[in-house]
Amino acid sequence: RKEVEQDPGPFNVPEGATVAFNCTYSNSASQSFFWYRQDCRKEPKLLMSVYSSGNEDGRFTAQLNRASQYISLLIRDSKLSDSATYLCVVDTGRRALTFGSGTRLQVQP
Amino acid sequence: SAVISQKPSRDICQRGTSLTIQCQVDSQVTMMFWYRQQPGQSLTLIATANQGSEATYESGFVIDKFPISRPNLTFSTLTVSNMSPEDSSIYLCSVESRGTTGELFFGEGSRLTVL
Repeated sequence: RKEVEQDPGPFNVPEGATVAFNCTYSNSASQSFFWYRQDCRKEPKLLMSVYSSGNEDGRFTAQLNRASQYISLLIRDSKLSDSATYLCVVDTGRRALTFGSGTRLQVQP
Repeated sequence: SAVISQKPSRDICQRGTSLTIQCQVDSQVTMMFWYRQQPGQSLTLIATANQGSEATYESGFVIDKFPISRPNLTFSTLTVSNMSPEDSSIYLCSVESRGTTGELFFGEGSRLTVL
């Protein structure tokens, strides 16, 4: 089993739609969780950290369920500029972060 | 945030040769990380480079194939040795943020194609 698993995608949604991505992780001792965004042919960049109480940043909401070892990202009112690959990232307690395989989002006009 | 410069940004190499990728950071950092991203895949950690000691390699990666240098707190190199087409990938250098716990900053990557 992979340490971090994500929805396979791709997600093709119209502008203005709400879209949700899911992610599960296998190491129950994981402490920190993140969503990164990677544009085509670019390096990954932090989108937001994920806190136990859930957190929101504008149109983006991240949730963590430790009991189910599940993380989610909700994007409301999708924009064309949201088109990218979204990477679920977990700090499994090792030296560096573990990345999921990514979910590709394509927002269409 | 950290500014990370990688060189080369891309290269096309012949099978059996070696290529060294350089990573320069604009501030001193304790740990530097080298990741690989194969076509259509996510990032896989190759090794952690610590200044003054040998790099720590992840399962599936060995020093003979991916020797790493870390001569000071702002610079590291990764060499891909005796390359084969399977080594065609993007190689990314990264460092931890001094602010947000766990956040990584990445260089723009080095896109390697092996013929």
